[in-house]
Amino acid sequence: DAGVTQSPTHLIKTRGQQVTLRCSPKSGHDTVSWYQQALGQGPQFIFQYYEEEERQRGNFPDRFSGHQFPNYSSELNVNALLLGDSALYLCASSPGTGTGYGYTFGSGTRLTVV
Amino acid sequence: GIQVEQSPPDLILQEGANSTLRCNFSDSVNNLQWFHQNPWGQLINLFYIPSGTKQNGRLSATTVATERYSLLYISSSQTTDSGVYFCAVVRGLRGGFKTIFGAGTRLFVKA
Repeated sequence: DAGVTQSPTHLIKTRGQQVTLRCSPKSGHDTVSWYQQALGQGPQFIFQYYEEEERQRGNFPDRFSGHQFPNYSSELNVNALLLGDSALYLCASSPGTGTGYGYTFGSGTRLTVV
Repeated sequence: GIQVEQSPPDLILQEGANSTLRCNFSDSVNNLQWFHQNPWGQLINLFYIPSGTKQNGRLSATTVATERYSLLYISSSQTTDSGVYFCAVVRGLRGGFKTIFGAGTRLFVKA
């Protein structure tokens, strides 16, 4: 049973560019949440998708957007990249929109903006 | 919004020692989780513990929801316990939930 799969594992982009990160949830999970983890800090909640809609959003600018597909996989898009967007981006999936039981994280995508 | 504070921020232990990590949170929560993040960035759930006490091998956790804190106990520490331990609280909201992490406790266990 595959867990949460994220791609790519590493990425280097230039300031001002756009990036798309991908996440496939664990089998049986239909809710996907995205987090940004800067070096030395805890993960920060970006947003959550369920039934192809953004259900919850953290304090991130509109440059951060997402999408969920009918197969429950999800994409995180970041436009107009800034140096400060360099971080580990984590995806987590869960069954339904309950209170976190079954929450499973992927290994993350490490984004470097130069 | 809800604040999550973890202490201590850093901890160095000799192999075999015991330790207690603390998590304080500022408002009522629907759930609380403890995670271990390994050096490669993988977050592994250790406990779901909105209240009460749970044990899993050398690890145990206690949450006192009325006083808004949780404790993670590590007994007979091993070098493989090294990494960052995060406390995360879950707030159920209409149509979904948010998980809010603390800044973590960085643990290094010396052989």
